[in-house]
Amino acid sequence: EVQLVESGGGLVQPGGSLRLSCAASGFTFSSYWMHWVRQAPGKGLVWVSCIKSDGSSTSYADSVKGRFTISRDNAKNTLYLQMNSLRAEDTAVYYCARDRDLSSWGQGTLVTVSS
Amino acid sequence: QSVLTQPPSVSAAPGQKVTISCSGSSSSFRNNYVYWYQQLPGTAPKLLIYDNNKRPSGIPDRFSGSKSGTSATLGITGLQTGDEADYYCGTWDSRLSVVVFGGGTKLTVL
Repeated sequence: EVQLVESGGGLVQPGGSLRLSCAASGFTFSSYWMHWVRQAPGKGLVWVSCIKSDGSSTSYADSVKGRFTISRDNAKNTLYLQMNSLRAEDTAVYYCARDRDLSSWGQGTLVTVSS
Repeated sequence: QSVLTQPPSVSAAPGQKVTISCSGSSSSFRNNYVYWYQQLPGTAPKLLIYDNNKRPSGIPDRFSGSKSGTSATLGITGLQTGDEADYYCGTWDSRLSVVVFGGGTKLTVL
């Protein structure tokens, strides 16, 4: 069974940093593109970033470019999102998802940016 | 990055059929597959339709998808109260390696 478990969310002050993790199991992690998607409270889904199966290619939404960095450790079956210079508008539940069709999702981790 | 357009809400009675539209003006929408996701209240999204019209295993055939040109449609027949959820369309632009979602449609089963 495919499982994705996010962690690392919490309360952080504006301008601060946070690193999210997504632990994968039940499939060959190193064979799949992976994504981060976020959802602000009461709002819709917003794609954040993705990374190729071997980590050689990454892509970002304009709203996070230059502030967020996606990475992966295929030996540890783990996806990461390093978030710097956080803003109030980054407050959201962050989901990791698998493959080009986002066929499997984690349960999400809440990031709150507030003073 | 382009945005896909969905109606904010739709409603229908139990047992009836409903359709949710998704339109996109960019060439990436025309040239790439459309996906549909269901998000039940308080839960993570779930893939409902992939590659325009295919259902993952476990998704009942009450759910269907189609695409023509710059628009796609999700159809749900035999509506149940358990279908009340937010529905999102999305597309993966393989050339730019980005994902674009629609704004979401809230389905109410009256």
